[in-house]
Amino acid sequence: DTGVSQNPRHKITKRGQNVTFRCDPISEHNRLYWYRQTLGQGPEFLTYFQNEAQLEKSRLLSDRFSAERPKGSFSTLEIQRTEQGDSAMYLCASSLIQGNSPLHFGNGTRLTVT
Amino acid sequence: AQTVTQSQPEMSVQEAETVTLSCTYDTSENNYYLFWYKQPPSRQMILVIRQEAYKQQNATENRFSVNFQKAAKSFSLKISDSQLGDTAMYFCAFMKHGGNQFYFGTGTSLTVIP
Repeated sequence: DTGVSQNPRHKITKRGQNVTFRCDPISEHNRLYWYRQTLGQGPEFLTYFQNEAQLEKSRLLSDRFSAERPKGSFSTLEIQRTEQGDSAMYLCASSLIQGNSPLHFGNGTRLTVT
Repeated sequence: AQTVTQSQPEMSVQEAETVTLSCTYDTSENNYYLFWYKQPPSRQMILVIRQEAYKQQNATENRFSVNFQKAAKSFSLKISDSQLGDTAMYFCAFMKHGGNQFYFGTGTSLTVIP
């Protein structure tokens, strides 16, 4: 299966610790997105890459959050000094550049900060 | 900024019946794309159907069809012959032509009752 892959599926961490998530997009997709989803809400945009360039970041992405996509392939999302409010599902999605190209989502990483 | 509104937090339908989920959006754009995504419990989000705003004909995918009313900025999803596997959260999403950001609604939780 060549879908979007995210690791880990679940992460439990203590407040103040750093965590890093990984996303492997569909190989031919140029665009890669990170979203955050809390219970009962739709996905909220965090950041977006086109190839290796990070072109847009949401104001939700505080300076504790950083994302990279070296070489335009996989991406990592790091959260430093985690807070309980960071507990959420972190979704990665990828797409082609064409306008009506839909997002293809991974299974997400569920973060719980205790 | 674009906003997407789903006014039905929860809905239920009897198996084999038809159900319609509503979605409205606010935009000043003339060309854009609309999507419905399905997120089954504990599973990844998948595309159900998409519509280009410049197309007057409503999109159809098997049992799923949309009623796109551009002037009213309405994009409802009709599910015919509902099946137990249709039980999921359904999210409406918007992206402007030439854009890179998808805007999601808060979702409708659909339960198909046997």
